[in-house]
Amino acid sequence: DQQVKQNSPSLSVQEGRISILNCDYTNSMFDYFLWYKKYPAEGPTFLISISSIKDKNEDGRFTVFLNKSAKHLSLHIVPSQPGDSAVYFCAASIQGGSEKLVFGKGTKLTVNP
Amino acid sequence: DAGITQSPRYKITETGRQVTLMCHQTWSHSYMFWYRQDLGHGLRLIYYSAAADITDKGEVPDGYVVSRSKTENFPLTLESATRSQTSVYFCASSASRMNTGELFFGEGSRLTVL
Repeated sequence: DQQVKQNSPSLSVQEGRISILNCDYTNSMFDYFLWYKKYPAEGPTFLISISSIKDKNEDGRFTVFLNKSAKHLSLHIVPSQPGDSAVYFCAASIQGGSEKLVFGKGTKLTVNP
Repeated sequence: DAGITQSPRYKITETGRQVTLMCHQTWSHSYMFWYRQDLGHGLRLIYYSAAADITDKGEVPDGYVVSRSKTENFPLTLESATRSQTSVYFCASSASRMNTGELFFGEGSRLTVL
């Protein structure tokens, strides 16, 4: 039973436009959410996170929105750049714990010049 | 350069062979993790370690053995490799359990079992 779901395996966006990556979760105990970015042949790198006490967190071009009632979070990238092309993983944890961080399957974002 | 390194980066082996993937980190992070990445499954936790000599199972531990005699090393051993263990393996570390879940990953080890 998948607790963190990224239902779109891929997304293609034009450079300069907004990219919206979505993530749904089923476990109501999750209270900390993270996004990781992964380039081919590299390990994932941390991008941005949000605590369940917030509904929005912004870092430059990246904004994560959390809708607790819908158990849904999204990552917005504005404006999208070709260098943003990567696989994005959504992850969730309970009480911010590092162990047993649960990852989604990932969404491959392609930003076309 | 400090960080987390994995070796080998690429490995081809045969069914039934023993394989060990190495992971070394220079940050003295307490927590270390092994994940595997497969198409259609994302990242799944195999084993993790909270400190030297303390290890625990993750989501998919069967067929794997870990040890952590030193804080900086966390080797993963496949005692008798199977084709289903063909995957990309990522080691990761974290300063503490409550480090808001942020992990630092190595570059990965691509293992092919023939």
